[in-house]
Amino acid sequence: KAGVTQTPRYLIKTRGQQVTLSCSPISGHRSVSWYQQTPGQGLQFLFEYFSETQRNKGNFPGRFSGRQFSNSRSEMNVSTLELGDSALYLCASQTGSDTEAFFGQGTRLTVV
Amino acid sequence: GQQLNQSPQSMFIQEGEDVSMNCTSSSIFNTWLWYKQDPGEGPVLLIALYKAGELTSNGRLTAQFGITRKDSFLNISASIPSDVGIYFCAGQRLLNNNDMRFGAGTRLTVKP
Repeated sequence: KAGVTQTPRYLIKTRGQQVTLSCSPISGHRSVSWYQQTPGQGLQFLFEYFSETQRNKGNFPGRFSGRQFSNSRSEMNVSTLELGDSALYLCASQTGSDTEAFFGQGTRLTVV
Repeated sequence: GQQLNQSPQSMFIQEGEDVSMNCTSSSIFNTWLWYKQDPGEGPVLLIALYKAGELTSNGRLTAQFGITRKDSFLNISASIPSDVGIYFCAGQRLLNNNDMRFGAGTRLTVKP
């Protein structure tokens, strides 16, 4: 059974640009959550999607957005990139609520 | 959102020693999860706990779900060099939607 797949693994962008990251959950999992991980702040919750609907949202500015498709694959978008957006972005998939969450390998975003 | 209180922040131990780390919160959780993360990779699920008082083992790892549902601990027995990494706790509470919080992590160094 394939695990959670995130693409791309690495990305370098310039300030002001926008970026789209992709996450394919484990087959059969309908919940996808996104996290930002930085050395100083640890794992910070961005948002969660379940059956194409955003079900929960963390405290991030509106520049961070996401969506989920009918096949449960999810994308997150960051517009007008800032240097502080440099981080490891992780997605986690679950079958539903209150179940084990499995993480992808992450996308390392560097903003220069 | 409120993160979990995980301690210690870091540990330096000798190979063969036992390790203990814990997470506490002022909130009640339905599920406790423990993860290990290697540099540049996503967190890997080690143990999941679903019931207050539950004690679960996975090889040399043992974790317990606190009776009050506000804490959990992870023990590693007879540590080996490949145990090196960052260990995270995560608590899930089923409110209106999925709500998962993370500890800041315990960085474990094992000296051969």
